[in-house]
This record gives sequence, C-alpha cells and structure tokens, in this order.
Amino acid sequence: SQQGEEDPQALSIQEGENATMNCSYKTSINNLQWYRQNSGRGLVHLILIRSNEREKHSGRLRVTLDTSKKSSSLLITASRAADTASYFCATATSGGYNKLIFGAGTRLAVHP
Amino acid sequence: GAVVSQHPSWVICKSGTSVKIECRSLDFQATTMFWYRQFPKQSLMLMATSNEGSKATYEQGVEKDKFLINHASLTLSTLTVTSAHPEDSSFYICSAQTGGGVYEQYFGPGTRLTVT
Repeated sequence: SQQGEEDPQALSIQEGENATMNCSYKTSINNLQWYRQNSGRGLVHLILIRSNEREKHSGRLRVTLDTSKKSSSLLITASRAADTASYFCATATSGGYNKLIFGAGTRLAVHP
Repeated sequence: GAVVSQHPSWVICKSGTSVKIECRSLDFQATTMFWYRQFPKQSLMLMATSNEGSKATYEQGVEKDKFLINHASLTLSTLTVTSAHPEDSSFYICSAQTGGGVYEQYFGPGTRLTVT
C-alpha cells in the first residue's frame, strides 16, 4: 500500500532553478524520509526529518514537515543536471520498527 | 557507511521456474530486512518484512507461498520467486535496518527480474 501522493508527478526545470516537490501522507508518523533514485538504480537516502521537527537542511536540500497538514516538501536549490532523478518520500509509522511506506514519487528533469 | 548488496543484479528466467535473490548487509547486522518491488515508472511497494529467525510478515495482497522469504542470519535474507510468470517481472529492492534504537534503513542496489 502507498502512504500518499507526491506532487507534481513530473517536473522539468532549467539548471540553476529551484525545484520543489510535495508529499502528503495519511497516517501519523514517526519520521519522514526523502530518497533519490536514478533510473533503474537503487535508492539514495537524502534526508530524514522526525515528527517533532519542522525544517531540516542538508547542503542544497531543504525539507519541511507539517504534521497538522500531513505534508512535507523537498526543495532543491540551484539545481544541476545531475539532480535529474526520481524523488520519493517515505514515512515510518509510529512505534516498532521503521516499516517505510513510499509515496508515488516525482520525476525531476533538470535541463542544462 | 552501511552497505547492502543484492545478488544477482539482474536475472532472466523462463516462466514456471524459481529464482532466488539474496540481500546481504556487508558491514552491519540487520535483525530486520524489507523487500520491495517496483514496476517501471512507479513507486516502491513494500512486499514483506523479514525478521531474523522468524517468519516474514507479508503485506496485504502479497502471496507468501509465491514469494518465499528466509532470513537465515543477521546479514542475509533471501527472496525466492516461485513458479515465476511474466507478470512477476519487476525490480526487486531490499533494505536492511540497523538496530540499537536507531533503526536506519539502507537499501540494496536492486535486482531486475525478467520472466520470459
């Protein structure tokens, strides 16, 4: 089962522009994570934000979390062609081990 | 950092045969591993949770007799697709979870299964 939706499903931008992806989920969570996947490859963990955090930064990445709206956003600033990939949010539900439920993903294309 | 490997990285098999995919945590022990499948241009769907020394927990709609999971040691979990059919063709990804209250997951590179 999937936790929720990601918006937009696809995003096409020029190098240097910012890219914003949104993720919504349905149930209460322990944490939310963002992953990147290049075509046909495995997942790369980008950032984890806990349910009691509202914003987190890592390099050119900025993640926000609004638990009242059950939503998160990933902002990639000053995008590069190498950022072209699919981006997924994944939620870990409260309690127990971290079973991850993935969103539908956003396919980002950054054009030189 | 923690590394998870999968073997094979890709496999082609004939309809009706069985295929085993291995997932190994190379530099840490993982009491829990997860198996996902991913169809082209779609997201990852959790299939089952594999716990060392006990039976796997399958997600709703996943046939446990078709997708056999064995977590024989703290560093190895296997997924066997039995009597494979073309609709089983997919990208299978495993992840291994650290313990000690941290519960971080590390993903393998995936296995591309094509059933002809």
